[in-house]
Amino acid sequence: DQQVKQNSPSLSVQEGRISILNCDYTNSMFDYFLWYKKYPAEGPTFLISISSIKDKNEDGRFTVFLNKSAKHLSLHIVPSQPGDSAVYFCAASARWGGSEKLVFGKGTKLTVNP
Amino acid sequence: DADVTQTPRNRITKTGKRIMLECSQTKGHDRMYWYRQDPGLGLRLIYYSFDVKDINKGEISDGYSVSRQAQAKFSLSLESAIPNQTALYFCATSVPTGGQETQYFGPGTRLLVL
Repeated sequence: DQQVKQNSPSLSVQEGRISILNCDYTNSMFDYFLWYKKYPAEGPTFLISISSIKDKNEDGRFTVFLNKSAKHLSLHIVPSQPGDSAVYFCAASARWGGSEKLVFGKGTKLTVNP
Repeated sequence: DADVTQTPRNRITKTGKRIMLECSQTKGHDRMYWYRQDPGLGLRLIYYSFDVKDINKGEISDGYSVSRQAQAKFSLSLESAIPNQTALYFCATSVPTGGQETQYFGPGTRLLVL
């Protein structure tokens, strides 16, 4: 069963508007959440993270929101730029047996149109 | 200069052949990982290693083996390649920071098994 779900395989937005990428998780033991961005022919790159003790983390145009009661997190990009077009992966980790492992969602392909 | 490098970047092989994918890192991280990415399936963990003497299976280790030759090197082997091992393979490294671990990925190896 999938513990980290990104239910939208793709998203298209206009340049300058807000992009909202969503992620749901099922395991209440997850205590750290990350977003990665991946361009074609490159490895995923770390974008932003949030600890379960927070509900918001902001870094420039990128903000991640965490709703623990709903087991939901979202990544907001505002304003969106064409260079933001990429696949975005949500990931979560938990301390199981004293070791952390990341569990990834399937990704959402964001296209920002000029 | 890339912190995490993978060789080869592209490889075509035939069913039944043994191949090795190599990963090197200059980040000084103890933890290393091998993932595969398939269309629509996101990133799935094959093996991971928390130090030179530690090797652990991930969720899809069947058909693969690994070797941690040094802190900086982690190799993935396909003993007898089969077509459904055609995928993008990523190596990653990490160092835990207060229980919040961020992984850093290499550029990937595209493998085609005929």
